[in-house]
Amino acid sequence: TQLLEQSPQFLSIQEGENLTVYCNSSSVFSSLQWYRQEPGEGPVLLVTVVTGGEVKKLKRLTFQFGDARKDSSLHITAAQPGDTGLYLCAGGLGSARQLTFGSGTQLTVLP
Amino acid sequence: EAGVAQSPRYKIIEKRQSVAFWCNPISGHATLYWYQQILGQGPKLLIQFQNNGVVDDSQLPKDRFSAERLKGVDSTLKIQPAKLEDSAVYLCASSLERQFFSGNTIYFGEGSWLTVV
Repeated sequence: TQLLEQSPQFLSIQEGENLTVYCNSSSVFSSLQWYRQEPGEGPVLLVTVVTGGEVKKLKRLTFQFGDARKDSSLHITAAQPGDTGLYLCAGGLGSARQLTFGSGTQLTVLP
Repeated sequence: EAGVAQSPRYKIIEKRQSVAFWCNPISGHATLYWYQQILGQGPKLLIQFQNNGVVDDSQLPKDRFSAERLKGVDSTLKIQPAKLEDSAVYLCASSLERQFFSGNTIYFGEGSWLTVV
């Protein structure tokens, strides 16, 4: 059983469309991170959210941490082909000495 | 600043053979991690070192996997004997601090791709 469930698993959209991907858990996380992983590369950190209800923006990407710190979402506005990749959420539990990763959302943005 | 270096990038072996992966973390990073990423899944932590000591190896299959970090810098991950289900990307990562918090970024290498046939 995955501690962090991501949905959808696959998403294919046209350039210019908006999208939201979700990261859900029954556990409370001390903080949560979002990563993007491109083919043949390791994951690269996009953002860390710490406070329940926190919203962070990174250009066209908006990240939200749920009030109860059990879920998070990533919204991309006007997606571009360069946004294509595997989006992973990862949470820290308890003393948070390690990250637990979700299974990822594979995003393809078609030109 | 140089990133996390891993080698080899690709390896194909037969089941029951052995394989070793090498990792050189970012200079000055005390914490080193080995993750296993099976196709279609997120990375799973295998082992975490703080300097040359093991912090967490609870998910490392110790009957076939071993890892060491001599002198607190480079690390090697070995699999012997390999099984078909070990086919995955092995990601090495490093960070300045041990604990996961907002200011402590984990940097990943490009990974070592293992195929067991």
